[in-house]
Amino acid sequence: AQRVTQPEKLLSVFKGAPVELKCNYSYSGSPELFWYVQYSRQRLQLLLRHISRESIKGFTADLNKGETSFHLKKPFAQEEDSAMYYCALIGAPGTYKYIFGTGTRLKVLA
Amino acid sequence: EADIYQTPRYLVIGTGKKITLECSQTMGHDKMYWYQQDPGMELHLIHYSYGVNSTEKGDLSSESTVSRIRTEHFPLTLESARPSHTSQYLCASSPPGAGSNEKLFFGSGTQLSVL
Repeated sequence: AQRVTQPEKLLSVFKGAPVELKCNYSYSGSPELFWYVQYSRQRLQLLLRHISRESIKGFTADLNKGETSFHLKKPFAQEEDSAMYYCALIGAPGTYKYIFGTGTRLKVLA
Repeated sequence: EADIYQTPRYLVIGTGKKITLECSQTMGHDKMYWYQQDPGMELHLIHYSYGVNSTEKGDLSSESTVSRIRTEHFPLTLESARPSHTSQYLCASSPPGAGSNEKLFFGSGTQLSVL
């Protein structure tokens, strides 16, 4: 079955510390993977996608097909990074049906 | 301004009432989606549409129905609301094409409480 797993419901780090939000997936084929973020009182929005190989707000994510992971990383956390982060996968090519994980709440402490 | 709009933002209603949650987008997107989300849980796809007169049920069984008569409008209807329908409902849309174009744009959501 296609599934996205985010094992941590809450992750607390101090400002300036490295951050890694874990995401593992199960999918037979070549997945398209995404990270979405929801800041307080804002809408859910795209943070980054693996196909673009981009760095957004200092965050990067590398697709590791061997480990079926797409962890989100940032070397130095900022207080404004505090938010809810969702990993997502497009379930089947051409269908555009996203499968979301349960999300990880990141708290960056001063 | 190009955006995706959901109304109402909050709705408290009694059991047995018929309700319609509105979703409209002015971004020219062809694909639209409804997700249901309970606190601390993942977003579950309940309905989606690839264009006018195209609607499909998602992976999560839902007693709601949708219609797509106009490209920009994708309302969700519950004929008889029940307390088990209490949840947050998120509408989303995505542009034509795939690959680098692929991303979801979300509305602000409707928090539904059925008493």
